[in-house]
Amino acid sequence: GQNIDQPTEMTATEGAIVQINCTYQTSGFNGLFWYQQHAGEAPTFLSYNVLDGLEEKGRFSSFLSRSKGYSYLLLKELQMKDSASYLCAVRAPGGGRRALTFGSGTRLQVQP
Amino acid sequence: NAGVMQNPRHLVRRRGQEARLRCSPMKGHSHVYWYRQLPEEGLKFMVYLQKENIIDESGMPKERFSAEFPKEGPSILRIQQVVRGDSAAYFCASSPTTTSYQETQYFGPGTRLLVL
Repeated sequence: GQNIDQPTEMTATEGAIVQINCTYQTSGFNGLFWYQQHAGEAPTFLSYNVLDGLEEKGRFSSFLSRSKGYSYLLLKELQMKDSASYLCAVRAPGGGRRALTFGSGTRLQVQP
Repeated sequence: NAGVMQNPRHLVRRRGQEARLRCSPMKGHSHVYWYRQLPEEGLKFMVYLQKENIIDESGMPKERFSAEFPKEGPSILRIQQVVRGDSAAYFCASSPTTTSYQETQYFGPGTRLLVL
């Protein structure tokens, strides 16, 4: 089976740093994705990890530990526009199994 | 390069009617995925299609739901005899036809279905 856990809500202050954690238990692993979703809009791709370690992309970084089934998304220099839901998703291996299994998302509220 | 297109953006149906949701993938993409998002819940995979083929429909309800991706034209998700529980946002995603290991899925704006 597939199980992905994220905190439901987080609050942070403009200009600060926030870390959103994701733990997963899946039957197989072929990559972990982070998406950002503003209310009423489409999810937009943020990052991809398949090997252990940190991937940095501007203000956003994502970390993966496959042995621990753990990832986090790090957002630096928070801006008001970063208020959104952040979705962790895992892809299982296998030719036909390209589908993503999503967590329920973490709703981040950035305050002035 | 236009992104993933979905229409309609909003669809209202009465119980028992049919709903047809359309998705045009990004240019150069031949892999299409449909996901459903219920209010306050995460995205749930429904079906994965390539041109003229259903590759994985493990997330699709066995009754009333069907999907196709014809050789020409958009992918269609069809819901027959809709019930109130079908009210949700339906997102389509596409990924490129490459051997890229990453194979990122890019999402469309979604169709919000409301069943009265």
